[in-house]
Amino acid sequence: KQEVTQIPAALSVPEGENLVLNCSFTDSAIYNLQWFRQDPGKGLTSLLLIQSSQREQTSGRLNASLDKSSGRSTLYIAASQPGDSATYLCAVRNSINAGNNRKLIWGLGTSLAVNP
Amino acid sequence: DTEVTQTPKHLVMGMTNKKSLKCEQHMGHRAMYWYKQKAKKPPELMFVYSYEKLSINESVPSRFSPECPNSSLLNLHLHALQPEDSALYLCASSQAAPPSGNTEAFFGQGTRLTVV
Repeated sequence: KQEVTQIPAALSVPEGENLVLNCSFTDSAIYNLQWFRQDPGKGLTSLLLIQSSQREQTSGRLNASLDKSSGRSTLYIAASQPGDSATYLCAVRNSINAGNNRKLIWGLGTSLAVNP
Repeated sequence: DTEVTQTPKHLVMGMTNKKSLKCEQHMGHRAMYWYKQKAKKPPELMFVYSYEKLSINESVPSRFSPECPNSSLLNLHLHALQPEDSALYLCASSQAAPPSGNTEAFFGQGTRLTVV
């Protein structure tokens, strides 16, 4: 059964730091992995999606990598800003053959605070 | 434009009321979803519509009734809810529905529902 873990659960950094958020999954047979951002009480914003055949994706100051064999993805945020403060969620979709790929399997998120 | 619009933003309803949540997207996506999210938890899938047909019902109680009038609109009809149904209800869409194709999910800002 696929399980997704995000470490750390919470992170507080000063503005300007480069930081890494981690997501690990137990079954390497995935279809894709998606990173989201959620502000308190708000909806989710899709940040990056990595297909199983890809190693990384980049968008602005964000870079997400995927290592299926080790069951890990990292979200790298460069030059963090107070506006980056939010909860970051990682979600995995299993591959078709792995079964139960009809829904996203979520981590519990990393709550990030970037202090001015 | 990657916008999914949900109305209303907030809703307070009594246990005997009937109300509806609405969701709209104009990205030409053929899959639409309803999720429920409790505080400090990841979203839980409720329903999936693919090409305007209900394809997945995650054993949701019948007091929640989804409807997809056309490819751009998704409704969630609520009747005889319980206080424990209070949550953030999120709508999402993707170009294709699982198990394959472009399943990158885009979320709306949610409806904060309180049942009294």
